[in-house]
Amino acid sequence: AQSVTQLDSQVPVFEEAPVELRCNYSSSVSVYLFWYVQYPNQGLQLLLKYLSGSTLVKGINGFEAEFNKSQTSFHLRKPSVHISDTAEYFCAVSEDYEKLVFGKGTKLTVNP
Amino acid sequence: DGGITQSPKYLFRKEGQNVTLSCEQNLNHDAMYWYRQDPGQGLRLIYYSQIVNDFQKGDIAEGYSVSREKKESFPLTVTSAQKNPTAFYLCASSGEGGLASGTQYFGPGTRLTVL
Repeated sequence: AQSVTQLDSQVPVFEEAPVELRCNYSSSVSVYLFWYVQYPNQGLQLLLKYLSGSTLVKGINGFEAEFNKSQTSFHLRKPSVHISDTAEYFCAVSEDYEKLVFGKGTKLTVNP
Repeated sequence: DGGITQSPKYLFRKEGQNVTLSCEQNLNHDAMYWYRQDPGQGLRLIYYSQIVNDFQKGDIAEGYSVSREKKESFPLTVTSAQKNPTAFYLCASSGEGGLASGTQYFGPGTRLTVL
C-alpha cells in the first residue's frame, strides 16, 4: 500500500532564508505527486504537482519540488521565504489515479 | 465564481446525534471526496464518489454515510456510531480525467465539535 512520510513535523526558519520540506513515499508503481498548503482554518490549496515529464516542478508563490524516483522523494524548496509562507504543508501521492494519500503535514513557521 | 462551498463553517452536536455536513460544487466535476483532518494526522479519506449514484469507502468510513444524488452535491452524515467525531472535515472535487487532469480542489472545511 502506498504511504507518505513527511520527515519534519515542524520547521522554523527566519525570513529570507531558504527552506526545504522533505517528503518520501512508498510505492512500487508510477505515481502522481502533489504538494498542498493550508492556512489556519482553511481548505487546502495546490502548490504544485508532478504527473510526468521533467522532474523539477515549479509551482505558485516561488516554490519548486524535485521528483527523485530512485530515492522515492519529492522535496519542496523555496530559496527565500516570507512571513506569509507560514502555514502547514502537505505532501500527497496517488498510485491509482483516483484518490490521494496524504502525509501528516509539516508546519512551517517563518520568523522575522 | 466557481468553487466548492461547505456549510456550516462551525457545527456543534450533542453526543448520540446524527449530523449532516453539506458540500456543493459548481465546477462541473465528476469526482468528489470527503476527508477528515485531526491535528498531526494529516488528511484521511472517508468516502469518495467518481460519478452520480455511486460512491466508495475510503480508509475510515465506519460511522459515516454519504449520498450522491446530484453531480454538484455530496453530503456527509456523521452518525452516532462514529466514536470520536470531533474534527475538521474537508470536501474536495476533481474534474474530467480525475487526478490525471491535475488536481483536487478543496472547500473551506467544516469544524465539527461534539459536546
